[in-house]
Amino acid sequence: DTEVTQTPKHLVMGMTNKKSLKCEQHMGHRAMYWYKQKAKKPPELMFVYSYEKLSINESVPSRFSPECPNSSLLNLHLHALQPEDSALYLCASSQDNRGVYQPQHFGDGTRLSIL
Amino acid sequence: GESVGLHLPTLSVQEGDNSIINCAYSNSASDYFIWYKQESGKGPQFIIDIRSNMDKRQGQRVTVLLNKTVKHLSLQIAATQPGDSAVYFCALQTYGNNRLAFGKGNQVVVIP
Repeated sequence: DTEVTQTPKHLVMGMTNKKSLKCEQHMGHRAMYWYKQKAKKPPELMFVYSYEKLSINESVPSRFSPECPNSSLLNLHLHALQPEDSALYLCASSQDNRGVYQPQHFGDGTRLSIL
Repeated sequence: GESVGLHLPTLSVQEGDNSIINCAYSNSASDYFIWYKQESGKGPQFIIDIRSNMDKRQGQRVTVLLNKTVKHLSLQIAATQPGDSAVYFCALQTYGNNRLAFGKGNQVVVIP
């Protein structure tokens, strides 16, 4: 079982809906990540939070809005998504890698389908 | 951006045989290397990592080899089992940077 928990596992939404993806970790990690993964492709980085502050935004469209309420939780708020946004959304966490060599640990993702 | 590639898109291996997955990279500043396994319907699972000051590291049934001279990384799986069927990604990182650069992925299919 993964130590990074993501909910929901599956989500189907219309293009006008607003929904949120949630991620939780209790490993004491201070860096958390959102990735998008299309079928048969590697994960693509979207956002990085370090010590609850947004440190990297990989030019992600504003219809994706991340939030880090505390060091254990990471949310991704979705609004007015497009069909091409259908993908597996992965959350990961790590000790803040700027100072140590530690791997990122991934959750099992939320499978998102946009109708 | 970084160029990270794998030599073989799909590897079919007989159960019990050894598997070797290769990864070439271009960024000589990379100093931390990780292998992930992704099974169908799951997220990437950490397998093993290696720092650039090492050329070999062993885990349980897995060995990672690093050749910095030719910028090449490999993952060896001993006595491959059906549960090893998955997509394997190499990933690279540079000290002081949270970004991971993933390789394209290599599908391993274990034939019983």
